[in-house]
Amino acid sequence: EVVLTQSPDTLSLSPGERATLSCRASESVRSSFLNWYQQKPGQAPRLLIYDSSNRATDVPDRFSGSGSGTDFTLTINRLEPEDFAVYYCQQYGSSPPFTFGPGTKVDI
Amino acid sequence: QVQLQQWGTGLLKPSETLSLTCAVSGGSFRGYYWTWIRQPPGGGLEWIGEVNHSGTTNYNPSLKSRITISSDTYEKQISLRLASVTAADSAIYYCARGRGKFFFWGQGTLVTVSA
Repeated sequence: EVVLTQSPDTLSLSPGERATLSCRASESVRSSFLNWYQQKPGQAPRLLIYDSSNRATDVPDRFSGSGSGTDFTLTINRLEPEDFAVYYCQQYGSSPPFTFGPGTKVDI
Repeated sequence: QVQLQQWGTGLLKPSETLSLTCAVSGGSFRGYYWTWIRQPPGGGLEWIGEVNHSGTTNYNPSLKSRITISSDTYEKQISLRLASVTAADSAIYYCARGRGKFFFWGQGTLVTVSA
C-alpha cells in the first residue's frame, strides 16, 4: 500500500501568514489522485482539495493544492482564525486500501 | 443536501462484534460507493472498506478477516460489522460517500472497547 508522510507535524503560525504543508508518497500517486482534508476538534474531516489541485465546493480560494508524482503541497494564504486545524492528505491512485497521511496540525 | 446519519453500539467488550449503520438522505444511493473510515482517539484516519449499491466490496487487508460491509438500496443504508474487537478497535467510526474522495461524511460514532 502507498504510505503517505506529512511534514511538518506541527506548524505554528499567526493569522495573516501563509502555511505550506507537505505530503510525500512512498510511490507515485497515479493521476495525482491526492486529496486534502481539514479536521477541527469534534468534527468529521472536510474535503478541501481533490485530485491534487481542485477546490471542493465552498472552499475559499486562499486554499490551493499542487503537486504530482510523489510530492504534493497544500498552501493556505493569509491564514484566518478558522483555519487552525489538522490537515490530512489522502491518496486513491492505487488499488485499495486508500491511505491517509498522519496529519499536520496548524496552530497559533 | 446529502446527509449521512450513523448509529450503533458505542460500548463493547473484547471479542464482541461491532455493528454500525449509516442512513443516506437527500441524494442518490445508486451510483456511488459508500465507505467506512475510523479514527482512534487523538489519532489519524484509517480507511476500513467500501461498498457500492450492488454490494460490491473492498476491504482493508489489515481488517479483512473480521469485516463485513453491506448495503441496502431500498433502505438507503450501509452497515459495518467488525468481529472479535479488541481495545485497538476503539475509535470514532465514520461513514462517507465516495470512492477515493469523500465529499460527504456522517457525524461519527465513538466506539469504545473495554472489559
